[in-house]
Amino acid sequence: GAGVSQSPSNKVTEKGKDVELRCDPISGHTALYWYRQSLGQGLEFLIYFQGNSAPDKSGLPSDRFSAERTGGSVSTLTIQRTQQEDSAVYLCASSLLRPGEWDNSPLHFGNGTRLTVT
Amino acid sequence: QKEVEQNSGPLSVPEGAIASLNCTYSDRGSQSFFWYRQYSGKSPELIMFIYSNGDKEDGRFTAQLNKASQYVSLLIRDSQPSDSATYLCAVRREGAQKLVFGQGTRLTINP
Repeated sequence: GAGVSQSPSNKVTEKGKDVELRCDPISGHTALYWYRQSLGQGLEFLIYFQGNSAPDKSGLPSDRFSAERTGGSVSTLTIQRTQQEDSAVYLCASSLLRPGEWDNSPLHFGNGTRLTVT
Repeated sequence: QKEVEQNSGPLSVPEGAIASLNCTYSDRGSQSFFWYRQYSGKSPELIMFIYSNGDKEDGRFTAQLNKASQYVSLLIRDSQPSDSATYLCAVRREGAQKLVFGQGTRLTINP
């Protein structure tokens, strides 16, 4: 597609329920990232995929958070037993990371999923 | 100390003036630096990146990098009301793929 696509755009869920957030990166982009942004805050890194593997998942805040990527394309971020502090905008980004060009490979962001846990 | 620091603002600049946004970083191993603009309720969009010391110009925007002093700045010339947004500084360490973001500076251009 033309850009990074995320769904749903908005999600309201009750505390304790599980949610799945989906990201479809730009076609051909090998790297995929998940960030979250709380109201008025900067972007907090969650996890990074290169292909289908996740070399860096250091930002996942707890074991309730998990993510997978299949076929080197679509990724799903799953939050189990949601808590109110999970409320945020979850942003997905992709990047065409070419070997030897790490330095100038920017991230391209989707429009995000606004998650509200009531 | 946060890895990437920005003054949260708000920074108010009159229309037509130069807006100067600053960012400092703590990791000397940082290699590349990105400026993103984020309008309220929207996702970040890339303005420009820089990885060599000195200045890099793109239209009305100039990024300045000083690795010895560990700061990067963004200058916006001939500021327009449409430049009013939050500006995010992001840093990538050598050998790493993720970007670490600052909190952002909210910029308001006054007509």
